Amino acid sequence: DAKTTQPNSMESNEEEPVHLPCNHSTISGTDYIHWYRQLPSQGPEYVIHGLTSNVNNRMASLAIAEDRKSSTLILHRATLRDAAVYYCILEDNFNKFYFGSGTKLNVKP
Amino acid sequence: GAVVSQHPSWVICKSGTSVKIECRSLDFQATTMFWYRQFPKQSLMLMATSNEGSKATYEQGVEKDKFLINHASLTLSTLTVTSAHPEDSSFYICSARKTPPSTDTQYFGPGTRLTVL
Repeated sequence: DAKTTQPNSMESNEEEPVHLPCNHSTISGTDYIHWYRQLPSQGPEYVIHGLTSNVNNRMASLAIAEDRKSSTLILHRATLRDAAVYYCILEDNFNKFYFGSGTKLNVKP
Repeated sequence: GAVVSQHPSWVICKSGTSVKIECRSLDFQATTMFWYRQFPKQSLMLMATSNEGSKATYEQGVEKDKFLINHASLTLSTLTVTSAHPEDSSFYICSARKTPPSTDTQYFGPGTRLTVL
């Protein structure tokens, strides 16, 4: 039921920006896009979410394509603590989340 | 704000016994809570949606008689794994949405590690 596709892994250097892509070509007009990250043996941590417009918060920015078929999570300055599995999720009409396989981000010092 | 807790954080039980896992929203009310299961090196899989005061709805392939869900209040949902077997060993995670439903998101608990011997 996962409706998103992400690269399996990405690597970044510390203190450099990171752009994590997500494709969701079957998105419907009312589906929200959510991003979470997860460390081993922990619950997912909320990062950001949006519907149509780009969003910014203290953790990251979310850039949503004009046709909404893709989005990009932007970490402006990666730190070692940002190393995690990042999930891009579409929320359906019943507020359900179906997780895809996520992107494992490795941050090099 | 928006903190979700789970208890216990880990549990070991013998095959054939039942285990109850609690999920609480600590600083908000949640009409809807969700239960997920995660096997090692895999993603989270949605098991069921728990609605306060009504029956839970289960995803396809999830046995409702094996995974009993009770959402008795706006801050507590419980998942009981009945007659647990080694293949039920997994990481169980709950999440909650604030009431009323809005443009907000889901807040996840820290997870419960279940090991069935």
